[in-house]
Amino acid sequence: GQNIDQPTEMTATEGAIVQINCTYQTSGFNGLFWYQQHAGEAPTFLSYNVLDGLEEKGRFSSFLSRSKGYSYLLLKELQMKDSASYLCAPMDSNYQLIWGAGTKLIIKP
Amino acid sequence: GAVVSQHPSRVICKSGTSVKIECRSLDFQATTMFWYRQFPKQSLMLMATSNEGSKATYEQGVEKDKFLINHASLTLSTLTVTSAHPEDSSFYICSARERDHEAFFGQGTRLTVV
Repeated sequence: GQNIDQPTEMTATEGAIVQINCTYQTSGFNGLFWYQQHAGEAPTFLSYNVLDGLEEKGRFSSFLSRSKGYSYLLLKELQMKDSASYLCAPMDSNYQLIWGAGTKLIIKP
Repeated sequence: GAVVSQHPSRVICKSGTSVKIECRSLDFQATTMFWYRQFPKQSLMLMATSNEGSKATYEQGVEKDKFLINHASLTLSTLTVTSAHPEDSSFYICSARERDHEAFFGQGTRLTVV
């Protein structure tokens, strides 16, 4: 079966760094996406990894290890506006995104 | 990033009526469009996938006669909720993708059936 595992909730302090981990099992693999979703809004695209390694984009970085079925999203210099849910979504062999419940990130001053 | 426009953002309708939601890709050709629904504090649930010019492929448990999806052009897909009932109240989100590129999401539509 297909499965996504992320922590349900994390708390971090403004200005700090947080790493959100994701493990997955899919039927085939065509890359992994990270999305940010604020409450009551649609998800917005953050990153896409298809090869192993780290992709850096400003304050956000995403890492992928295909052999381990593992990814993480690293957020640096946290701001209050980063409080949101973060969704890890691998793409299976049919190019379908597989969604987990996401990680709710709470930023405290 | 690419822009996907979804309308309306909010709609309230009476039980038994039909509601149409539009999803447009503004600056790319959406070869594939996806329709999701999301209940509060829950994950996105894929309802159906549509490729331009083809009939939509519905996920198990989604009534295709109730949720009519049309993807007549490379920039427009519509979801019509027919004979809506209060249990259809939800957040409906479309996403669009050009070939195997990343998917971009519309703003979502909050449907309330009274």
